[in-house]
Amino acid sequence: DQQVKQNSPSLSVQEGRISILNCDYTNSMFDYFLWYKKYPAEGPTFLISISSIKDKNEDGRFTVFLNKSAKHLSLHIVPSQPGDSAVYFCAASRSGNTGKLIFGQGTTLQVKP
Amino acid sequence: GAVVSQHPSRVICKSGTSVKIECRSLDFQATTMFWYRQFPKQSLMLMATSNEGSKATYEQGVEKDKFLINHASLTLSTLTVTSAHPEDSSFYICSASRLALGETQYFGPGTRLLVL
Repeated sequence: DQQVKQNSPSLSVQEGRISILNCDYTNSMFDYFLWYKKYPAEGPTFLISISSIKDKNEDGRFTVFLNKSAKHLSLHIVPSQPGDSAVYFCAASRSGNTGKLIFGQGTTLQVKP
Repeated sequence: GAVVSQHPSRVICKSGTSVKIECRSLDFQATTMFWYRQFPKQSLMLMATSNEGSKATYEQGVEKDKFLINHASLTLSTLTVTSAHPEDSSFYICSASRLALGETQYFGPGTRLLVL
């Protein structure tokens, strides 16, 4: 039962363009969503989060959008840089930002110079 | 952000032996630590939640007798894989959180376990 899904296993974009990573969830009880970036053989690094009371959160080049009615969130990276190449995981929690996290399968982003 | 370390980073062991993995929060006191495992090209799957001074809460399907978790202090949690078998080979990652302050989880660098 995959409650958090990232249906695109990979994404390739040109440097300077926008990267859009998508994530869908099925459990309407989730109230907090996070994006993590992960390099091979390393632990995930927190990027940005959003509470279910908001529909947008922005931090520098990263913006997360939440569409609760569609149970969909997306991460926008503008402009994309080669250093952004990594695996991106979305995660969801039922207990605000303190509860256990349910992760999606991850999307591998490649930003080409 | 907060720093979480794991030791060892990589371990190779023979089938039937036990392996202990340490997770430390280096610059903060973690009231809660989480243990995940990740198979190649798959998601991080939560194994258990560990609160300092109490028994760990295991996720469905995770054998508590096989994966022993101890959270003896606010800066250290250990995961012991007992009687390891090749199917236990995986990437084990811990995270730590200061739940009292409502902060998000900070992840360790992970431990690659290979059971021969």
